Amino acid sequence: AQSVTQPDIHITVSEGASLELRCNYSYGATPYLFWYVQSPGQGLQLLLKYFSGDTLVQGIKGFEAEFKRSQSSFNLRKPSVHWSDAAEYFCAVGAWGAQKLVFGQGTRLTINP
Amino acid sequence: DTAVSQTPKYLVTQMGNDKSIKCEQNLGHDTMYWYKQDSKKFLKIMFSYNNKELIINETVPNRFSPKSPDKAHLNLHINSLELGDSAVYFCASSQSAGQGDNQPQHFGDGTRLSIL
Repeated sequence: AQSVTQPDIHITVSEGASLELRCNYSYGATPYLFWYVQSPGQGLQLLLKYFSGDTLVQGIKGFEAEFKRSQSSFNLRKPSVHWSDAAEYFCAVGAWGAQKLVFGQGTRLTINP
Repeated sequence: DTAVSQTPKYLVTQMGNDKSIKCEQNLGHDTMYWYKQDSKKFLKIMFSYNNKELIINETVPNRFSPKSPDKAHLNLHINSLELGDSAVYFCASSQSAGQGDNQPQHFGDGTRLSIL
């Protein structure tokens, strides 16, 4: 069965610093991979997705992610974080395409001023 | 112009009651979903409907019954509420051309259900 692991439950970075959130997946076929962000009291907003092609994908809000098949990873990066990036970040793998998302446990991002 | 809207946003009720959560999307999507997010923020799919037909039904107690009157609506009815049902329930929708399609899901803001 497919699964997603986000090793870091909570990460704190300073405003302006770079960010990398880790995501490892387990899935037998070619994965559909997603990163979502959840602000407090809000729903999930899609940051970016990977289906095929270029393994470095660009998303909204200056985020990017790199798919590495050999490492079963899909890490999210941002060169310089802003205080408004503080939120919960979820990595997900699409089982059966994108119609059945399996989510990781989430990583809570705190930004120090 | 909310894309996926859920009502109510908050629901506080007692054990044993029956309650419903409504979801509507105005994106023209034909697939809708219900997810449950527990107190540890873990998200798990419960149901999915495509063109009013149930296509995903995870291991969910039969006290939970989804109903899709049309493509734009997917409601969730819960009978005999239990303490463990306390969670945030998210509705989502996507455009699907067929099984295994790859269109991303759009989420509502959630309904926070608290059982007293």
